[in-house]
Amino acid sequence: KQEVTQIPAALSVPEGENLVLNCSFTDSAIYNLQWFRQDPGKGLTSLLLIQSSQREQTSGRLNASLDKSSGRSTLYIAASQPGDSATYLCAVNNDYKLSFGAGTTVTVRA
Amino acid sequence: KAGVTQTPRYLIKTRGQQVTLSCSPISGHRSVSWYQQTPGQGLQFLFEYFSETQRNKGNFPGRFSGRQFSNSRSEMNVSTLELGDSALYLCASFKDRVDEQYFGPGTRLTVT
Repeated sequence: KQEVTQIPAALSVPEGENLVLNCSFTDSAIYNLQWFRQDPGKGLTSLLLIQSSQREQTSGRLNASLDKSSGRSTLYIAASQPGDSATYLCAVNNDYKLSFGAGTTVTVRA
Repeated sequence: KAGVTQTPRYLIKTRGQQVTLSCSPISGHRSVSWYQQTPGQGLQFLFEYFSETQRNKGNFPGRFSGRQFSNSRSEMNVSTLELGDSALYLCASFKDRVDEQYFGPGTRLTVT
């Protein structure tokens, strides 16, 4: 059974600081890994998708890396803004379903 | 392009009743998955549908069921509601099983 862990559970940073969010998973036989953002009481917004054959994916201020063999992914958010405050979830796709971590709740202080 | 829509957005039911939730995927997407999100268990996979067929199922009791129609719209049904069924139910729409998945805003179900 795939286990996904996200560290830290919560993070508070001043505006402008870079954010580093970690995700680890136990079964490396994955098809892809997806990072999501969730605002309180809302659905999930897809941020980045990394296929199993890729090492990195970038979108604007966001960069995600994937090391499938060691079961790790990292999401970097550059120059954080108060609008980046949300819960960030990583989800691993194996067996054609997503297994989610518990998320990292980020607060960016103005 | 319209996103994933879910109806209703909020629902309050009494223990023992049944409920039906609806999900309309993005145009052109033939696959729909359902997830339950609770504070204690996080996000858990319920089931996946493709071309009106259930392709995958999570570890939920038989009270949870679903179906998909020929236009790819999907419904999930929960019978004999329990207090523990209170949750945010999310559906995801995607083209292929290894493609990016797009989630709807969810249906917040409260069982009293």
